Amino acid sequence: QKEVEQDPGPLSVPEGAIVSLNCTYSNSAFQYFMWYRQYSRKGPELLMYTYSSGNKEDGRFTAQVDKSSKYISLFIRDSQPSDSATYLCAMTPGSGNTGKLIFGQGTTLQVKP
Amino acid sequence: NAGVTQTPKFRVLKTGQSMTLLCAQDMNHEYMYWYRQDPGMGLRLIHYSVGEGTTAKGEVPDGYNVSRLKKQNFLLGLESAAPSQTSVYFCATQRDYSYEQYFGPGTRLTVT
Repeated sequence: QKEVEQDPGPLSVPEGAIVSLNCTYSNSAFQYFMWYRQYSRKGPELLMYTYSSGNKEDGRFTAQVDKSSKYISLFIRDSQPSDSATYLCAMTPGSGNTGKLIFGQGTTLQVKP
Repeated sequence: NAGVTQTPKFRVLKTGQSMTLLCAQDMNHEYMYWYRQDPGMGLRLIHYSVGEGTTAKGEVPDGYNVSRLKKQNFLLGLESAAPSQTSVYFCATQRDYSYEQYFGPGTRLTVT
């Protein structure tokens, strides 16, 4: 079983929809959680960075962490065709781990005009 | 600022050939990482460095070597390429006192 599980999709939604992307994990030591966006044939781009449980909002994007359920989510409001990309979750225990991140395999999102 | 750059962008090798991938950063970050990305496998850590002159093994280090002679450069070497090393290779740096990693544009390597 992988430490971080992410449904690869693809997920197809109409423009303007609310998108929910999710990851589950098994290691209760994870404290720092990230979401990356990766456009086709490009490098991953950091989108959201959160510590421990709770919500963080940045424009149309909201990251949510539920450590009790070992579950993280990324919500995209008013989705746009430019949001079409692969979204990767990543996480790390933090201290003493030399920053090594564990990635999910990514969910491919397509937003149709 | 260029951020993180990778050279070359594309390369085709024959089995047994060697090559070096270069990662350069202008953000003055201590930590640097080499990943490979394969379909269905996500990003897997090959080697990493926590500072100039240091290197360490990641999850999939076999068949690769690295060097960090200068803080701004991190080199990934393939001594004898194999078809299993066909992949997209990404370099990343980590912002100091954080776990945020910033990626380069990638190198697409095909080994025939």
